[in-house]
Amino acid sequence: SAVISQKPSRDICQRGTSLTIQCQVDSQVTMMFWYRQQPGQSLTLIATANQGSEATYESGFVIDKFPISRPNLTFSTLTVSNMSPEDSSIYLCSVELAGSQETQYFGPGTRLLVL
Amino acid sequence: AQKVTQAQTEISVVEKEDVTLDCVYETRDTTYYLFWYKQPPSGELVFLIRRNSFDEQNEISGRYSWNFQKSTSSFNFTITASQVVDSAVYFCALSEEETSGSRLTFGEGTQLTVNP
Repeated sequence: SAVISQKPSRDICQRGTSLTIQCQVDSQVTMMFWYRQQPGQSLTLIATANQGSEATYESGFVIDKFPISRPNLTFSTLTVSNMSPEDSSIYLCSVELAGSQETQYFGPGTRLLVL
Repeated sequence: AQKVTQAQTEISVVEKEDVTLDCVYETRDTTYYLFWYKQPPSGELVFLIRRNSFDEQNEISGRYSWNFQKSTSSFNFTITASQVVDSAVYFCALSEEETSGSRLTFGEGTQLTVNP
């Protein structure tokens, strides 16, 4: 596996503001993903973070709301823009390591509360 | 379209009991992967097992065992002699190699509570 860190681990934000979440991995990965987990629910894929190009978004998620960057193989950011209370969730990044055969490993998550 | 169903929303057992978590999946791909993850109260998602569609051998790892049956599209997870530390939400997930690449589809999760 790998060591995956996320910053911040948690935050409380005011509606209308934006928060950028960072994901850092200690080894080279082939794929990076961002998921959202709303309270008491399962995980939903937001997008695949592509290195050096625009992220690939899932249905229901748009770049204006969730801009993603991935400047290199081991780092990515997710921004939650113009937040509303409905954005209160855990946001998790995951990575697929070279040779891991489709297995995704998850970061510790960022707990976001929007007031 | 791929789908994962975990019909058991919550299960409560007493320590040392055996418990089975059910997972049923739907896919049109011939090559796919099934996973189980554990999410303890801390929130981190812990990888437990991966199984590809061509490997129907059951697997045992300590107190954990998995039963993969393609005939019933099921991938059930059994914990033997459960312990309080097993209390968590358990997610079953599916990825289809041909249709969706590495993207994971998760079930709704089963909240397991093991009481002392």
